[in-house]
Parts: sequence; structure tokens; C-alpha cells
Amino acid sequence: KQEVTQIPAALSVPEGENLVLNCSFTDSAIYNLQWFRQDPGKGLTSLLLIQSSQREQTSGRLNASLDKSSGRSTLYIAASQPGDSATYLCAVNGAGKSTFGDGTTLTVKP
Amino acid sequence: DTAVSQTPKYLVTQMGNDKSIKCEQNLGHDTMYWYKQDSKKFLKIMFSYNNKELIINETVPNRFSPKSPDKAHLNLHINSLELGDSAVYFCASSSRDLTTGELFFGEGSRLTVL
Repeated sequence: KQEVTQIPAALSVPEGENLVLNCSFTDSAIYNLQWFRQDPGKGLTSLLLIQSSQREQTSGRLNASLDKSSGRSTLYIAASQPGDSATYLCAVNGAGKSTFGDGTTLTVKP
Repeated sequence: DTAVSQTPKYLVTQMGNDKSIKCEQNLGHDTMYWYKQDSKKFLKIMFSYNNKELIINETVPNRFSPKSPDKAHLNLHINSLELGDSAVYFCASSSRDLTTGELFFGEGSRLTVL
């Protein structure tokens, strides 16, 4: 059974800092891994999708890496802004379903 | 032109009632899902449908019954609602079975059972 863990559960940083969110998973037989953002009271917005054959994906200030063999992914956010404040979830996709981590709640202080 | 849309967005009802949540996607995806997010924000899959056929049915009470009239729609019907059913229910879709596709989510339907 796939288990996904996200560390830390919460993170507070001043504006402008670079930061890293972590996601680890127990079963490396995955198709891909997806990072989401969830704002309070809202749905999930897809940020990045990394296929199992890829090592990283970039979109603007976001960079996600994947090390399938060790069961780890990181989401790097450069030059954080208050608008980045949200909960970030990783989802590991395999065998027809996604397993979600419990999320990291990020607060970026002006 | 919302990709995955759910209705209603909010639903408040009494214990014992029956209610439905509707979901539609206009992305041309083959697979649709229902997820439950509880008060602690944990997100768990409930059902997965591929081309109107049930693929995944996690350990969910049989009071919950998904119905897919066509591959663009996946509705969730809940019988005999209980307090513990209060949560946000998210519909999602993907192309195929996640082997290459991304998950796209609706905005969620917040169910409160009194």
C-alpha cells in the first residue's frame, strides 16, 4: 500500500526566501507525481507533473524534482511571495489511483 | 469554460436525508474520480470511473453510490446521511488511468450534516 508523507506540515518564511517542500513515498512503482496548490476553501490547482522517467520539471519560480528509487520528491519555490501562501500537496499516481500526502501549509510573510 | 464543475458548492442537510452531488468535465477525459477531504484536510480517493465503468471503490460505506451516465459526468448519491459524512467532496478527472495524465479537480462541494 502506497504511503505518502510531506514534511514539514507547516512552514512560515519571510517574503523573498527560497524554500523546499518535501514529499516521500513508500512504493517506487509509480507512473508520475503531481504537485498541487490548495487555497483555503478552494479546489486543487495542478502545479507540476513529473513522469516517472523524468528527474525534474520547472514552471516559473517552481521546480520539482523526482528521485523514484529513493521515493522522494521536492518542490523548490524561488523568491517566495505572499501570494504563494497556500497548502501544497503532492500526489503519487500509480495503478489507476492517486495517493495524496497530507500537505504542507506555507505562509509567506510580507 | 470551467474544466471540472461540481454542483452544489455548499450543501447543508439533516441526518438521515439523501443527497446528490453532480460533476461534469469538459476536458474529454476518460476517467473521473470522487475524493473526500475531511476536517483535517486529508484527501482520500473514494471512487474511480473509466468510461462509465467502476475501476476503484475504496472502503466506502454502501450508502455512497456513484453514477456515471456518460464519461463526462460522474454523480455521487449519498443515502441516510450521517454526521461523519460532513466533509468537502472533490470531483476530478484525468485522461486514461493516470499513466500519463494529470489530475484536474473541481472546486469542491462542502457537505454539512446537522
